[in-house]
Amino acid sequence: SQTIHQWPATLVQPVGSPLSLECTVEGTSNPNLYWYRQAAGRGLQLLFYSVGIGQISSEVPQNLSASRPQDRQFILSSKKLLLSDSGFYLCAWSPRVGANEKLFFGSGTQLSVL
Amino acid sequence: GENVEQHPSTLSVQEGDSAVIKCTYSDSASNYFPWYKQELGKRPQLIIDIRSNVGEKKDQRIAVTLNKTAKHFSLHITETQPEDSAVYFCAASRRSGGYNKLIFGAGTRLAVHP
Repeated sequence: SQTIHQWPATLVQPVGSPLSLECTVEGTSNPNLYWYRQAAGRGLQLLFYSVGIGQISSEVPQNLSASRPQDRQFILSSKKLLLSDSGFYLCAWSPRVGANEKLFFGSGTQLSVL
Repeated sequence: GENVEQHPSTLSVQEGDSAVIKCTYSDSASNYFPWYKQELGKRPQLIIDIRSNVGEKKDQRIAVTLNKTAKHFSLHITETQPEDSAVYFCAASRRSGGYNKLIFGAGTRLAVHP
């Protein structure tokens, strides 16, 4: 069966520091991969998606970037964090073929920028 | 652009009562409508979904209805239990550039009181 791993679970970082969140998927090949952000008490905002290695699309202009160095690895980064980057970050995957609408989320990273 | 409106933002019911959450979407090309349940600090979990060629789908105490003409869809939970308490998100998606882009509603916080 497929599983998605995301780490770390919580992170407290000072303003101006770098960020690296990692996500890996097991049990499937060529997944579509996504990064979402959820501000406190708010909905889910799509930040980035990827349909293949090295293929990244950004949904909103921001202080963050994403990379996909391997088929099942998706990384969210920042060179200098802002206070507004605080939130709950969720990695997700969906199948490339078949019922590829279904989205499966990782366990999330609670990021606090102080 | 694409938009999904979700109402109410909070809902409080007594155990055993029914709960209804409603969503409207703007993109007439949307063809897939999932519902996610998110418990506090946890990942969103898919609980039920419906495709545009179906008007209603039921899974035990949960049902979803879709009105394509009005671009409305709703989640119905019957015989609510305290463990149904969570935030529920609706979403709408259509295929775009090789993947299905899910647009989420802002969420409904459901509280079921014993």
